[in-house]
Amino acid sequence: GENVEQHPSTLSVQEGDSAVIKCTYSDSASNYFPWYKQELGKRPQLIIDIRSNVGEKKDQRIAVTLNKTAKHFSLHITETQPEDSAVYFCAASTGPPLTGGGNKLTFGTGTQLKVEL
Amino acid sequence: SAVISQKPSRDICQRGTSLTIQCQVDSQVTMMFWYRQQPGQSLTLIATANQGSEATYESGFVIDKFPISRPNLTFSTLTVSNMSPEDSSIYLCSARDRRGYEQYFGPGTRLTVT
Repeated sequence: GENVEQHPSTLSVQEGDSAVIKCTYSDSASNYFPWYKQELGKRPQLIIDIRSNVGEKKDQRIAVTLNKTAKHFSLHITETQPEDSAVYFCAASTGPPLTGGGNKLTFGTGTQLKVEL
Repeated sequence: SAVISQKPSRDICQRGTSLTIQCQVDSQVTMMFWYRQQPGQSLTLIATANQGSEATYESGFVIDKFPISRPNLTFSTLTVSNMSPEDSSIYLCSARDRRGYEQYFGPGTRLTVT
């Protein structure tokens, strides 16, 4: 099955700096890569995702890049703010088709991001 | 995006008892899932809740311990049976958007077994 590794486990940056979180996956059939942000005591929140037919996607201060050859993808947060402090999870799946075990998301181990003033 | 609610939000239960967690989605979704998250840990998939058929369980999780129902496209339940302290965790319901890619989570149920 799919295995997703995530680094670093903790990341501390100064407000205004950039933060980068990296993930690698093992299943070359994976074609969907979402990122979730989880604040303490809250549900995981989908913040950005990328499909295998593109190499980069950007949404305001966050961007995700994908290298299918190397089987790794990264989350980039620019101009970090204190409210970016949270745990970030990457994930991978082969979703759709709508049925089958390959649809399930496999999560990385998470990165605790702390943005310091 | 799908809006997901769960009941109860938290509970404290005695060893040996069972708890049923309910998950409601505000729109018809293609797939529903149940996850477990230990404090400070990642999300572990328990099972996929299939509408009208038996759930598909991941390795290490069995139907006798975690029976799941999904009577329709917007509702599912997870029961944690014969609980022990090791079952103390956060249980999260999740649903995949009808377009098939985006997956959303409920607020979770914090279970403590004493």
